[in-house]
Amino acid sequence: NAGVTQTPKFQVLKTGQSMTLQCAQDMNHNSMYWYRQDPGMGLRLIYYSASEGTTDKGEVPNGYNVSRLNKREFSLRLESAAPSQTSVYFCASSTPTQPQHFGDGTRLSIL
Amino acid sequence: GENVEQHPSTLSVQEGDSAVIKCTYSDSASNYFPWYKQELGKRPQLIIDIRSNVGEKKDQRIAVTLNKTAKHFSLHITETQPEDSAVYFCAAPQIPGGYNKLIFGAGTRLAVHP
Repeated sequence: NAGVTQTPKFQVLKTGQSMTLQCAQDMNHNSMYWYRQDPGMGLRLIYYSASEGTTDKGEVPNGYNVSRLNKREFSLRLESAAPSQTSVYFCASSTPTQPQHFGDGTRLSIL
Repeated sequence: GENVEQHPSTLSVQEGDSAVIKCTYSDSASNYFPWYKQELGKRPQLIIDIRSNVGEKKDQRIAVTLNKTAKHFSLHITETQPEDSAVYFCAAPQIPGGYNKLIFGAGTRLAVHP
């Protein structure tokens, strides 16, 4: 039982490049989330998907897009990466009334 | 929208002492308050949570108290051990949004010295 799996674990990009962060969960959770974590700022919600087929903006959605591919998978795309998007990205999942479970994170550096 | 403030940002205690971390929230409709522990380089992990229909919840050395009138909730760790050293985050839901839209505090870095 892997829980929430994120790929890749590390990535270095150049400014302007695009990439997609992948997230999959095997807990049959309806809801999935993407957060970014910057030093001293805690976790900030980028986008979430309350259920398959729906997505909504969080606190900091600018510069990102998401796709809820199916119930298991929720991807985060950076179309044109900027140095300000250097961060650790966490995916999480939950049922509508239960706590969120996090993946191990993706450490993304943009030069 | 919801605003969550967490204090202190750093906390240093001796092994065996107690540690208390406090969070305040702004939305009186918030009804669920989780606490996460994050060890260095690891994922955040839920350690305890409380719903607004109770004032206190305990789990071994960890307890959370909630004061809905004052809109604050606190994490209490008793008999601290070196393995309690980590960053602790509180959170509250942005209403509407329920459990889906958590707003996190900035975190407290707890250091427990042997």
